[in-house]
Amino acid sequence: DQQVKQNSPSLSVQEGRISILNCDYTNSMFDYFLWYKKYPAEGPTFLISISSIKDKNEDGRFTVFLNKSAKHLSLHIVPSQPGDSAVYFCAASAWQGGKLIFGQGTELSVKP
Amino acid sequence: KAGVTQTPRYLIKTRGQQVTLSCSPISGHRSVSWYQQTPGQGLQFLFEYFSETQRNKGNFPGRFSGRQFSNSRSEMNVSTLELGDSALYLCASSPGGTGYSDIQYFGAGTRLSVL
Repeated sequence: DQQVKQNSPSLSVQEGRISILNCDYTNSMFDYFLWYKKYPAEGPTFLISISSIKDKNEDGRFTVFLNKSAKHLSLHIVPSQPGDSAVYFCAASAWQGGKLIFGQGTELSVKP
Repeated sequence: KAGVTQTPRYLIKTRGQQVTLSCSPISGHRSVSWYQQTPGQGLQFLFEYFSETQRNKGNFPGRFSGRQFSNSRSEMNVSTLELGDSALYLCASSPGGTGYSDIQYFGAGTRLSVL
């Protein structure tokens, strides 16, 4: 039972353009959502998060949008840079923290 | 502040053996979670320890166990290794507490190969 899904295994974007990564979830108990970025042979690095009481959170080039009625969140990267090329995971947790449910990941490739 | 440290970085074992992995969390963090990453299954939650007690548990067989010490360091043990246990094992720490969600910070992982 995949509670968090990233349906696009890969995404290719031109440098300077917008990257949009999508994530869907099924469990309405999730109240906190995070995006992580992962390079090969490294652990995931935290990027940005959003609480269920918000619908948008911005941090520099990264913005996360949450649509609770659709159980959908997205990560926007503007402008995209070659250094953004990595695997991006969305994750969700319920109130008790400590247990993140991850999507399968989307490999982003930003071409110069 | 030092990050999450996992040792060893690489391990090769044979079927039937057991293995212990170690994780030192960020100083001051009381919660340690463990995840298994495989190409087919992505990142799967194993368990979480908070103040030396297992607080959350994923859907893994009893061969997978863990513990946390009073200094918040954690170990994970896998007994009677199977070929399918080959994976990257990731540890994450967070400040912890109840009733709210923390940002988890990950170590670089331990790559376990079972032959």
